[in-house]
Amino acid sequence: DADVTQTPRNRITKTGKRIMLECSQTKGHDRMYWYRQDPGLGLRLIYYSFDVKDINKGEISDGYSVSRQAQAKFSLSLESAIPNQTALYFCATSETGTGGQPQHFGDGTRLSIL
Amino acid sequence: ELKVEQNPLFLSMQEGKNYTIYCNYSTTSDRLYWYRQDPGKSLESLFVLLSNGAVKQEGRLMASLDTKARLSTLHITAAVHDLSATYFCAGAETSGSRLTFGEGTQLTVNP
Repeated sequence: DADVTQTPRNRITKTGKRIMLECSQTKGHDRMYWYRQDPGLGLRLIYYSFDVKDINKGEISDGYSVSRQAQAKFSLSLESAIPNQTALYFCATSETGTGGQPQHFGDGTRLSIL
Repeated sequence: ELKVEQNPLFLSMQEGKNYTIYCNYSTTSDRLYWYRQDPGKSLESLFVLLSNGAVKQEGRLMASLDTKARLSTLHITAAVHDLSATYFCAGAETSGSRLTFGEGTQLTVNP
């Protein structure tokens, strides 16, 4: 089983709908992240959490919200989806510390908003 | 605010050739990461570079970091088709773990 699991893997929905993307991890990491990937733009950080009680905005948080339900679970919500939120979404985790540990990514959720 | 730029963004090369991907960043970054992404797949960590002059090698890939020039390079030696992928560099601002990614370099190695 994957260490970082995202559900669903693919989702097609309509403008105005509320959508939740879920991420769970078995790595035991405290830190979790949500990114979106658009062609030619690399990955951009939406929200991140360093522990269960910590939530921080990234560079593109408008239109999104998150919930850290437990150390292992971090969900991303689009309250009222719009077409320009069509993208590939990744969840990632990392260890706490200053040793430069890399982030570990899930397989992604491909979201299309019509 | 840290900005990270890669070049080239697209690279088509022949098997057996050498090439370098460049990653420039705008402000102090105390660590630099390289990731690989195959089409439709997740990102896989390749290298973590933590100090000036750091060099790491894995197979045909070698990464280096020059913090004074704010430059990291990913050198490909004797490319093979299996190296075809998109390569991302990412920097982290000092004492933080937020990553800022470059745009990615889409590498195609032709037989």
